[in-house]
Amino acid sequence: GNSVTQMEGPVTLSEEAFLTINCTYTATGYPSLFWYVQYPGEGLQLLLKATKADDKGSNKGFEATYRKETTSFHLEKGSVQVSDSAVYFCALSDRTGGFKTIFGAGTRLFVKA
Amino acid sequence: DTGVSQDPRHKITKRGQNVTFRCDPISEHNRLYWYRQTLGQGPEFLTYFQNEAQLEKSRLLSDRFSAERPKGSFSTLEIQRTEQGDSAMYLCASSSIGQGGINEQYFGPGTRLTVT
Repeated sequence: GNSVTQMEGPVTLSEEAFLTINCTYTATGYPSLFWYVQYPGEGLQLLLKATKADDKGSNKGFEATYRKETTSFHLEKGSVQVSDSAVYFCALSDRTGGFKTIFGAGTRLFVKA
Repeated sequence: DTGVSQDPRHKITKRGQNVTFRCDPISEHNRLYWYRQTLGQGPEFLTYFQNEAQLEKSRLLSDRFSAERPKGSFSTLEIQRTEQGDSAMYLCASSSIGQGGINEQYFGPGTRLTVT
């Protein structure tokens, strides 16, 4: 079945550092890929998405590129801020799975001032 | 558009009691999903509806769980004879299948259940 694996956290960075959170997936079909973010005390928010190979999703300075050859969708940001501290979830959804979303376990990010 | 809403936000109940949660999706969305999230984990799929039809149920959804979406609008999730292992955040999401078959789901704030 479909699955998502993402790097374990927590990840602790200083402000303005470069961020990478690795995500790889297994899917039988051609999934759409997502990154969701969950800020402390808040619900899940869609951060960015990509729907086909080589697409790049971007939002709020975050980027991720859909790499079919490596089945990866790594999240990157060039310069993190304290306000980026949150839990980040990689996820996929495809037609063969009824479009339900399969999530990774989440990666907690702490950004220090 | 007020987004997806869930009620209650928090529920504390004693083991063995029944609880019911409600989800109001975004009005034009025909798909509605329930997920469960335990501490330190990603959300796990429970079930989903297209309009009023329940199309899939996870094996996580034991016979103590039942979900309905009677008129294709709001949905309820009921847990009978709650157990301590049911303690979790229950998330609802809604979507409509967009161009190219993209299923962008919008999540509610969740209902946190604590079973004592």
